Amino acid sequence: DTAVSQTPKYLVTQMGNDKSIKCEQNLGHDTMYWYKQDSKKFLKIMFSYNNKELIINETVPNRFSPKSPDKAHLNLHINSLELGDSAVYFCASSHQGAGELFFGEGSRLTVL
Amino acid sequence: KQEVTQIPAALSVPEGENLVLNCSFTDSAIYNLQWFRQDPGKGLTSLLLIQSSQREQTSGRLNASLDKSSGRSTLYIAASQPGDSATYLCAVSPSNTGNQFYFGTGTSLTVIP
Repeated sequence: DTAVSQTPKYLVTQMGNDKSIKCEQNLGHDTMYWYKQDSKKFLKIMFSYNNKELIINETVPNRFSPKSPDKAHLNLHINSLELGDSAVYFCASSHQGAGELFFGEGSRLTVL
Repeated sequence: KQEVTQIPAALSVPEGENLVLNCSFTDSAIYNLQWFRQDPGKGLTSLLLIQSSQREQTSGRLNASLDKSSGRSTLYIAASQPGDSATYLCAVSPSNTGNQFYFGTGTSLTVIP
């Protein structure tokens, strides 16, 4: 039973398109995150939601829009995709913001 | 802003050796520190979580220590096995915001049979 699951696992698309990545956690956590891992494997936070409220919004282009319909779901929508958006996007969750962090398997986005 | 560094970036050891991975952070005001492993093409798997009030945590052949005053943590792996080959990352959560984890750049470990 997967704790943090995200779909799709792979996404290949053309520049200028819009795409979404979905994430769900069944751990009962109240905080969810989106992280971006670049080609050098560096992980950087993009967004953090606590109880469906946006807590952290790092310096991310406004083409990226997260949405949390409930505590168990956090989706990421990306408009007007650019080559530089190619990366692996990880969803994660934790309890009360700074508890143990659990990650999904990642969604590899390739923009052509 | 918190900066997390892991040295070395890559490490190769023969099977059976004990080894130490290092993690250093610039701001000692942390809430907790977590060690992860990442296998190629996979997500991150949590290994150990150390709260700021703790000095170390152990799980099987793994032992993580934390020295907040010097801004350092180490991950000790005993009797290494080829299955331990992976990238190991540490992440710190600052005490002033409870919803942020700063990651190091990772150490890529190869255990040679």
